[in-house]
Amino acid sequence: EAGVAQSPRYKIIEKRQSVAFWCNPISGHATLYWYQQILGQGPKLLIQFQNNGVVDDSQLPKDRFSAERLKGVDSTLKIQPAKLEDSAVYLCASSITVPTYEQYFGPGTRLTVT
Amino acid sequence: TQLLEQSPQFLSIQEGENLTVYCNSSSVFSSLQWYRQEPGEGPVLLVTVVTGGEVKKLKRLTFQFGDARKDSSLHITAAQPGDTGLYLCAPRGPGNTGKLIFGQGTTLQVKP
Repeated sequence: EAGVAQSPRYKIIEKRQSVAFWCNPISGHATLYWYQQILGQGPKLLIQFQNNGVVDDSQLPKDRFSAERLKGVDSTLKIQPAKLEDSAVYLCASSITVPTYEQYFGPGTRLTVT
Repeated sequence: TQLLEQSPQFLSIQEGENLTVYCNSSSVFSSLQWYRQEPGEGPVLLVTVVTGGEVKKLKRLTFQFGDARKDSSLHITAAQPGDTGLYLCAPRGPGNTGKLIFGQGTTLQVKP
């Protein structure tokens, strides 16, 4: 079974530029998550989708971050404009909607904003 | 607001030693997961515990969920360099959304 795919793996941009990340979840997983992980910390949930609907985006900085999952499969996360503090690893995860909600993570995209 | 504490934050030991990491909260959780994350990779699920007092073993790793379902521990016997990584506990958040609350993790380094 193929895992969660993410691209690109690395991205370096200047502040005020825009950037987009792509995620393809495990086939059949209805729930998709985007996390931000700053060095030395645990992942912080940015947004959670159930199929193509948003379940939780309470910690998404909506003035600069946006995400979509138009057909309920793959998803994109965009930052515009980027700030220095956005430097982090952006992780995508997916899960089947069963009682334990075990999440499967992609390798992440490491973003450096200069 | 749920406060989740993992301890210790950092641990550097020699191969063959035993260790325990802890995950504590004042909240009761319906379930809790442990993940390991290696540098440059995403977290990988190790185990899910659901029942208070539950003990699960995964080779040299032993996971325990507290009786009151507020805390958990991970014990590693005879640590190997391959155990090096960031260990994250992640209780399930309130409601039925499947949201996980990640702790800041314990960084473990096992030296050969």
